[in-house]
Amino acid sequence: EDQVTQSPEALRLQEGESSSLNCSYTVSGLRGLFWYRQDPGKGPEFLFTLYSAGEEKEKERLKATLTKKESFLHITAPKPEDSATYLCALYNFNKFYFGSGTKLNVKP
Amino acid sequence: EPEVTQTPSHQVTQMGQEVILRCVPISNHLYFYWYRQILGQKVEFLVSFYNNEISEKSEIFDDQFSVERPDGSNFTLKIRSTKLEDSAMYFCASREINQPQHFGDGTRLSIL
Repeated sequence: EDQVTQSPEALRLQEGESSSLNCSYTVSGLRGLFWYRQDPGKGPEFLFTLYSAGEEKEKERLKATLTKKESFLHITAPKPEDSATYLCALYNFNKFYFGSGTKLNVKP
Repeated sequence: EPEVTQTPSHQVTQMGQEVILRCVPISNHLYFYWYRQILGQKVEFLVSFYNNEISEKSEIFDDQFSVERPDGSNFTLKIRSTKLEDSAMYFCASREINQPQHFGDGTRLSIL
């Protein structure tokens, strides 16, 4: 069963055009929600951890938020170097469940 | 900055052969993981390892797979009698207690 669903699958933005990526989940007893960035041919690179509804974390142009059923990764005024696949992952009962990712392409 | 390193970066193996994928986790990390990512699909959890034993494994991690920490620095994934469907990127990750995982850049396994 799918426990983590990310949308959209792909997103094309113009440089400077802000948007949000969604990660919805259906687990109980969430012990952590993680956002990672993955560049082609590379392993996932850690961005944020969120533990409880209402929590927010920020880093440069990225801001992650968490509710009881979903998380958003907000990208403000993106640049071409933000182009990557963004992965959401849950930690639950000693296992990690990844979503399929959102492939972001930022055009100059 | 310390990194998780994986070798080889690409492994080509004949179907039915055994393969060992190697990882050197970050030195002070205590928790170790293997994941696989079939081309175009999501990253899938295989196994977690702590205190020299498996702490959790997925349905994918059957008797064909085994993990070992043969010394103080290496963490290996062995796949016996490889099948075509084992072709994938295999990622190793490690972490400290209450910290996020750090991933290596993976080994691309191609089964012919």
